[in-house]
Formats: sequence, C-alpha cells, structure tokens
Amino acid sequence: KAGVTQTPRYLIKTRGQQVTLSCSPISGHRSVSWYQQTPGQGLQFLFEYFSETQRNKGNFPGRFSGRQFSNSRSEMNVSTLELGDSALYLCASSSGRGVNYGYTFGSGTRLTVV
Amino acid sequence: DAKTTQPNSMESNEEEPVHLPCNHSTISGTDYIHWYRQLPSQGPEYVIHGLTSNVNNRMASLAIAEDRKSSTLILHRATLRDAAVYYCIPRPGAGSYQLTFGKGTKLSVIP
Repeated sequence: KAGVTQTPRYLIKTRGQQVTLSCSPISGHRSVSWYQQTPGQGLQFLFEYFSETQRNKGNFPGRFSGRQFSNSRSEMNVSTLELGDSALYLCASSSGRGVNYGYTFGSGTRLTVV
Repeated sequence: DAKTTQPNSMESNEEEPVHLPCNHSTISGTDYIHWYRQLPSQGPEYVIHGLTSNVNNRMASLAIAEDRKSSTLILHRATLRDAAVYYCIPRPGAGSYQLTFGKGTKLSVIP
C-alpha cells in the first residue's frame, strides 16, 4: 500500500513569506503528526492531529500551525518565515493513538529559507 | 520523559550481528521502549517496541534488561541497508502521543 506522501519534496522561500506543506497519510490512518529536523536541534515534535483536531503541540511559536481534513490529509503552515525555519519537515501517520502504535514517516519536505 | 544514553556511533561488518545499546535508567514502570531508525535521506522508520519481555520481529530483536534500565536492539545479520541512525525512545504507557528523539547511534556497516 502507498506510504505517507509529502509534497513538495523541496521548497525555497524568502524570509518573511509563508509556506504550506502537505501530507497524505496511509489510507485508514487517522493520526497525523509533524516533526522538524535540523542539524542543531535534531528531530522535534511540532503537533499531532487526530479526527481533525489538534491533540498535542510541541514547543514552537504560533507561526507554526496546521490542520487536518476529514480525509485525514494534513497541512502545516509556517508564516513570516525566518532563516532558522530552514529544516526537513517530516509527517508521520498512525492507525491509532497511544504507546502500542508505531508511526510511519514520509520522506519529508526540505524547506530552505533565504 | 525518561532520558536516554546511546553511543554516538558504532561500526559493524556486513553479515555479522549488531548489538545497539541504550541506557534509560530513569524510565518509569509503565514506559515502553521504542526503537526507530533513520536511513540517509529518509524519514524515521519504526523498528520494534516492548515493555518488559524480549521482543522479536522480522527486522530485529529487542532485549530489555530485567531492571528495565537498559535495552539492546539486536540486528541478527547486518546488511548495508541497515546503515542508519538508530533511536531509542521511551514512551509513557499513558498519554504518549509523540516521539521524543535523542541524538541516536549512527551505525556504519562495513562491506
């Protein structure tokens, strides 16, 4: 079956702009999480959506937001981009919530802010 | 969340077993131990998880110490495709809806 699909794969934006990243989870998976990966900070949790509701949020500023649609597809938005937002953004989906569920990650969107 | 300590890097010869250690001495009694790996240019990949008993799946085995303060991920025959960063992640048994990644162990496999 198809894996987690993230689009676009690469993106270059200018400081101050905003960006929207998309994630299509595995069919049937209702939980979608987002992570940011940078060389300095490693992998950090951004937020989790389940049944179209944000259930958890990491320690990121309000410029980072997201949403989930009724078909479980998710988008994340970053407004007023800063140079430090350059990172690999990863989406992960799971068939359920909780400790006995594993996550399937996509290959990520590489965002470069110039 | 419980803190973890993993070696920064390890090397293994191809087709030999690999034992990747993780120390999680502050783990609570209800924390599960999850392992993920990240191959170059890819997102992390779930490997295995367990609570108290040793666990096996098609990818690896997980050996959990009796006091649960450490665990070891075992790859029975390393292949070049196993070269990746391996993350040991304790997850609380209740209310755990995110993964907290540390720095992991970078495994190199020598042909």
